[in-house]
Amino acid sequence: QKEVEQNSGPLSVPEGAIASLNCTYSDRGSQSFFWYRQYSGKSPELIMFIYSNGDKEDGRFTAQLNKASQYVSLLIRDSQPSDSATYLCAVQERQGGKLIFGQGTELSVKP
Amino acid sequence: GAVVSQHPSRVICKSGTSVKIECRSLDFQATTMFWYRQFPKQSLMLMATSNEGSKATYEQGVEKDKFLINHASLTLSTLTVTSAHPEDSSFYICSARKDRADTIYFGEGSWLTVV
Repeated sequence: QKEVEQNSGPLSVPEGAIASLNCTYSDRGSQSFFWYRQYSGKSPELIMFIYSNGDKEDGRFTAQLNKASQYVSLLIRDSQPSDSATYLCAVQERQGGKLIFGQGTELSVKP
Repeated sequence: GAVVSQHPSRVICKSGTSVKIECRSLDFQATTMFWYRQFPKQSLMLMATSNEGSKATYEQGVEKDKFLINHASLTLSTLTVTSAHPEDSSFYICSARKDRADTIYFGEGSWLTVV
């Protein structure tokens, strides 16, 4: 059973701080990794994807991937109250393209 | 990004009836569509993978006779919940991709309430 694990939180950070969200996965052959944000009652929206080891930055967001450790993270700099949501880590299988989701981490950014 | 639309966004049906949810890719042809279900405070659980023109592949534990999936065209997939029960009440989300190398795009989701 391929698994994607996240700390369910809630993670609470003050406005302006860095929020760090972590994810581990069990399938060593996984190739693609995604972070989605989901507001309550809404569908997930893609924030970032990463394929290669290392860091990938997009605005206030940085995704980090370490395939040897089977670990992927998302850093949110200068956190804003509007960033308060559940963040879902998803891993794409080598073949078939299915996304396997973690349980999500609830982030709360306090003004 | 590509647009995937679901309809209806909310539906209430009586126990024992069937309800159909549509998923459309509006600006691209989707060779593959995926159907997820999400219960409150839980993550998305993949129900089935639907390839245009062929039978859907269901995940373990998902009843294919209860959750009928049709992917008759490259822009439309439907999920029919047959003989719905209150425990089927959930948030159903579809996603679609153009080809194996493409990003997967999500629809807005459909809230189903069975009373």
